[in-house]
Amino acid sequence: DAMVIQNPRYQVTQFGKPVTLSCSQTLNHNVMYWYQQKSSQAPKLLFHYYDKDFNNEADTPDNFQSRRPNTSFCFLDIRSPGLGDAAMYLCATSVGTVGHYEQYFGPGTRLTVT
Amino acid sequence: AQSVAQPEDQVNVAEGNPLTVKCTYSVSGNPYLFWYVQYPNRGLQFLLKYITGDNLVKGSYGFEAEFNKSQTSFHLKKPSALVSDSALYFCAVRDGDDYKLSFGAGTTVTVRA
Repeated sequence: DAMVIQNPRYQVTQFGKPVTLSCSQTLNHNVMYWYQQKSSQAPKLLFHYYDKDFNNEADTPDNFQSRRPNTSFCFLDIRSPGLGDAAMYLCATSVGTVGHYEQYFGPGTRLTVT
Repeated sequence: AQSVAQPEDQVNVAEGNPLTVKCTYSVSGNPYLFWYVQYPNRGLQFLLKYITGDNLVKGSYGFEAEFNKSQTSFHLKKPSALVSDSALYFCAVRDGDDYKLSFGAGTTVTVRA
């Protein structure tokens, strides 16, 4: 089945130790998104890629970076995690960015910062 | 600017009873409306969407939603709730060609046996 895969599902890192979260998709969608979700709140968009074009949200901290080496893979790098970065990180994909295109979400990676 | 309101933090119903989860929206252009469901420690699952046309939209798992332009609402409904429908539900809106999807705060649904 076509899907969005996130690895690992659970990640524990130490305060200040860089961490990378991974997302892959078999849907061949043009757009990939990264969201941060805290405590069953609404997901907060961090950034998205349309093909290789990177789009950062204005309020996304510089501590968060992303890479998309090819259509299938996208990575979220947190350069120096703080305790406030503990959250569920959701990857999503869509055919396009506008109008009626729904987003398909992966299962998420729950990040714990110790 | 676009926004979504889910006025109820929690909805509790008995199994077999109708389930309604409320959503109102605000957009300046044409709204594209979505419902997602999230089970514990899982990602969001797409349930249904309204683009244009018929105001009653049918989706996955027996859910449907009614688009009401005059009331700017897009309530999610299920005629007969199941215990397995217990989850967190998010309404979301996109304003015309804006790339950003705005989510409501979410409504926790509990269906008791």
